[in-house]
Amino acid sequence: EAGVAQSPRYKIIEKRQSVAFWCNPISGHATLYWYQQILGQGPKLLIQFQNNGVVDDSQLPKDRFSAERLKGVDSTLKIQPAKLEDSAVYLCASSLDGTGFFSPLHFGNGTRLTVT
Amino acid sequence: AQSVTQLDSQVPVFEEAPVELRCNYSSSVSVYLFWYVQYPNQGLQLLLKYLSGSTLVKGINGFEAEFNKSQTSFHLRKPSVHISDTAEYFCAVSEIDSGSRLTFGEGTQLTVNP
Repeated sequence: EAGVAQSPRYKIIEKRQSVAFWCNPISGHATLYWYQQILGQGPKLLIQFQNNGVVDDSQLPKDRFSAERLKGVDSTLKIQPAKLEDSAVYLCASSLDGTGFFSPLHFGNGTRLTVT
Repeated sequence: AQSVTQLDSQVPVFEEAPVELRCNYSSSVSVYLFWYVQYPNQGLQLLLKYLSGSTLVKGINGFEAEFNKSQTSFHLRKPSVHISDTAEYFCAVSEIDSGSRLTFGEGTQLTVNP
């Protein structure tokens, strides 16, 4: 089966600019996650979707980050305006069911964002 | 809230030597436990998981981990490592009633030298 697709792979922007990342989960996966992985740290959950509804966005900085999953398939994560501390790898993951336990999370290769 | 501590940020070993990557967690409720591996420029891949049952779980690539509830640990082991095992390893935990929210540790860089 095709894996989780993310684009772009790399992005360099200046602070205060905006940026968007795209994710296409594995076909049939109901749950989609966005994680932020800062260099030297483990991934941190930003937002979780179940189909096209938000399950958990408690760690999403809502003043500058937004995400949507229209039609319950692919998803877009946006940052506006970007700050230096947003430099990180943004990982998208999907799982077959809502729990994510008995069907493990499948991760994309990530988008590496550098904010200068 | 749950938390994960990976006790070693870097572990250098020689090829064919045994290795143990240590992970401790903190939670007030029952948890599920996971180990993920991240090769350079790749996404995270599940190595193994503990959901219930036997406390010794076997994963891919010859890795295994043992859940120790009394010590709140989930250490990862491999009896003989290969150069290709060089990667970043992440321990992760999820409280059973928290949905599928995973909390990751900071990671351990395993470097296997010839």
